[in-house]
Formats: sequence, C-alpha cells, structure tokens
Amino acid sequence: RKEVEQDPGPFNVPEGATVAFNCTYSNSASQSFFWYRQDCRKEPKLLMSVYSSGNEDGRFTAQLNRASQYISLLIRDSKLSDSATYLCVVNPDRGSTLGRLYFGRGTQLTVWP
Amino acid sequence: GAVVSQHPSWVICKSGTSVKIECRSLDFQATTMFWYRQFPKQSLMLMATSNEGSKATYEQGVEKDKFLINHASLTLSTLTVTSAHPEDSSFYICSARDETSKWSYNEQFFGPGTRLTVL
Repeated sequence: RKEVEQDPGPFNVPEGATVAFNCTYSNSASQSFFWYRQDCRKEPKLLMSVYSSGNEDGRFTAQLNRASQYISLLIRDSKLSDSATYLCVVNPDRGSTLGRLYFGRGTQLTVWP
Repeated sequence: GAVVSQHPSWVICKSGTSVKIECRSLDFQATTMFWYRQFPKQSLMLMATSNEGSKATYEQGVEKDKFLINHASLTLSTLTVTSAHPEDSSFYICSARDETSKWSYNEQFFGPGTRLTVL
C-alpha cells in the first residue's frame, strides 16, 4: 500500500472554474502535511502547508481530516498559470524534526482559456 | 526562498559505470539533505536522508551499497550511483531545509534535478 494516494487526473477545467483535489495517507502517526506544485520537468515547490483547522491562501484552500486521513486542496477562480501537477505530501515522523517527506504521484491540472 | 543547486543537470553513461551527482545549498547551511528518485508518471520516492558528518539513513528497499551518499560539509551532499544499469535511469532530485530560518524552517527547497540515462 502506498503511503500517499492521489487521483492522478488529469483535470481539464476552464479559466474561472473551481477544482478540488483529494489525497489520503496511510500512516496515522503523520504529523505534517503539505501541497507542493510541480511544473513540467521542474522541481517541486511548496504551495502551502495544511493545518488541522484548515487554511486558506488567496484562491487556495487546504483541509485536513485526521480521522479519515484525508487531505484536500481547493482552487477557486482557476487561472491559466495554475496549470501544473499538484503533489500531496506527508511527513510521516511523529514528534520529529527530521523532515522526511512522502509524496503522492500528483494530480495533473490543465486550465484552458 | 533558499536556493539548492544540482550538478550535473543531465548525464548519459554506459552500463557498469558510476555516476556522481552533487547537491549544494547555495545560501544556507543544511545538516540534513534528502535524495529522491522519480520515474516517469510516478511520484517522487524518498531514497535516503543525508546527514552531515555521519552515515546516511536509507529508506526500506534502497540499496545503500548501490547508492552511496556523502555529506561532507554543511552545503554539499553527493549521491553516487555505482555500477549503473538501465533500470537506474531516472530523475534524481535532492532537497534541503534552511533550519535556521524563522519563516521557512519547515519548507524543503528542491534542487532542479538530474536526469540520468544509462545506456
């Protein structure tokens, strides 16, 4: 069983649409959760951390459900520049500052004009 | 944000040769760096944690004698793929955290990656 599972998509949406990505993780001891963005043939870059209370950064909203071991990302008012692969990422180490990260395989998003 | 570089960006080698990949933190020091591998259409897979001044910690299923890691300074970690074979062809990418940063201590910064092709 994979540590982090994501729907690979692809998601193809028009500009202005709202799109949601989901992710589940297998290790209930996981402490930290993130969404990263990866453009084609580039390195991943942090989009946002995910907190238990849910958090928002502009058009992006992340939610965490620890009981269901489920993470989500909502993108509102999609822009062309949002086209990328979105990676669900989990730090599996409880109480550790080690910083290991486990990645989902990513969900590909294409926003069309 | 902090910058991590990798060298080379791509390499083609013959089967049986060894390839060394460098990962550098350019504007910060990193006691810990991480090495990942990504096959096409697959997720980044954590291979090992590189620890400055001590042995690397490998993830389950990763051969430590095959993938040698050296973290000799606070700004440089190297990954050597020994006796490379075509199945080792992949995208290798490293990351590091700026642990002294108040703002981004929890963020990992990734290098641009190294594309290895073994013929």
